[in-house]
Amino acid sequence: NAGVTQTPKFQVLKTGQSMTLQCAQDMNHNSMYWYRQDPGMGLRLIYYSASEGTTDKGEVPNGYNVSRLNKREFSLRLESAAPSQTSVYFCASRKPGQGTEKLFFGSGTQLSVL
Amino acid sequence: AQSVTQLGSHVSVSEGALVLLRCNYSSSVPPYLFWYVQYPNQGLQLLLKYTTGATLVKGINGFEAEFKKSETSFHLTKPSAHMSDAAEYFCAVSGGSQGNLIFGKGTKLSVKP
Repeated sequence: NAGVTQTPKFQVLKTGQSMTLQCAQDMNHNSMYWYRQDPGMGLRLIYYSASEGTTDKGEVPNGYNVSRLNKREFSLRLESAAPSQTSVYFCASRKPGQGTEKLFFGSGTQLSVL
Repeated sequence: AQSVTQLGSHVSVSEGALVLLRCNYSSSVPPYLFWYVQYPNQGLQLLLKYTTGATLVKGINGFEAEFKKSETSFHLTKPSAHMSDAAEYFCAVSGGSQGNLIFGKGTKLSVKP
């Protein structure tokens, strides 16, 4: 059982470079999420996707774009990376239905922007 | 809007001592409440959750939490700390957009031998 898989695990970028963080889940979940984790800030929602073909902004969407390629995959793109985007990024998914608010998390991507 | 406040960014206890991690929430609707644990360099794992029914919830690794509506609290406890409990703990409340969770800022638990 792979669960939620994120790639890469680590990445170093220079300011202005672009990159895409990949996320895939094999649990047939409808909803997928991207969070960032910063020291003392907890986890903050960047974007989410309630179902294939739909995406919506979360709390901190600026500087990011997302694509829900299909039901399995939800990617996060940084078009022009900035040092403020240095963070640990987590992808999560949730199965459909009420009362199923448990999120399943990937192991994270540690991103440094120099 | 929902929000979560975790009191104390760092808590240190001795091995065998009581663990108490505090969480207060704000919610305009009956909340679903969660505690997640994050071990170093890993993702978050669910410890326990409260949705409806019994207000004392038991989770994995000997942890439990009690939902107290009158106090808007959901504190996490464990009677006897173990070295392996050293991690960061996050309290979360549901009710955000499309089922996402609103997380507290986390409490890092250290366990001294």
